[in-house]
Amino acid sequence: GAGVSQTPSNKVTEKGKYVELRCDPISGHTALYWYRQSLGQGPEFLIYFQGTGAADDSGLPNDRFFAVRPEGSVSTLKIQRTERGDSAVYLCASRSGRSAYNEQFFGPGTRLTVL
Amino acid sequence: GDSVTQMEGPVTLSEEAFLTINCTYTATGYPSLFWYVQYPGEGLQLLLKATKADDKGSNKGFEATYRKETTSFHLEKGSVQVSDSAVYFCALFLSNFGNEKLTFGTGTRLTIIP
Repeated sequence: GAGVSQTPSNKVTEKGKYVELRCDPISGHTALYWYRQSLGQGPEFLIYFQGTGAADDSGLPNDRFFAVRPEGSVSTLKIQRTERGDSAVYLCASRSGRSAYNEQFFGPGTRLTVL
Repeated sequence: GDSVTQMEGPVTLSEEAFLTINCTYTATGYPSLFWYVQYPGEGLQLLLKATKADDKGSNKGFEATYRKETTSFHLEKGSVQVSDSAVYFCALFLSNFGNEKLTFGTGTRLTIIP
């Protein structure tokens, strides 16, 4: 079946601009996560959704970052007033809802470059 | 806070060599432990996992044992192949009162030479 998909695969923007990154989880997966992976580092947790609600947003670095999942499926990560330090690969993952310890399936990521 | 420390790379080995990538963790509770792999041009994939102390995870010839006494989860393979060349990430998972996330190490790049 289809895996987690993310669009766009690459995004280049200028400092100060607004961007939206989209994640389509595996069908039926109720839990969705966003991570950020900077060059040479492991992924860092940003936010976790269970259904439509953000259950844990403790990883969002500041109030320029916001994410939504209005219908409990597709999620959008929104970054306002982008800064060069936001450049990274943004990863989305989803898992089935039966157990928190089920495998998280990762998408290919969106590479964001802020010039 | 929770953290994962793994062996720095890059690691370069000849085909059929024995592989060990060290991983230790610090956690406030009793985590599940994972190894993820990222092959060139591909997304993160789960390689193996262990959910409690003394569990051994295994897959594709790789093994790792959850050692609570040493807070370690070292990845091993007896005979590596060129196709094992990838970046390997150790991670822990904790679920506490609705908060749940994977915490990753920095990754170890492995290159296998024919």
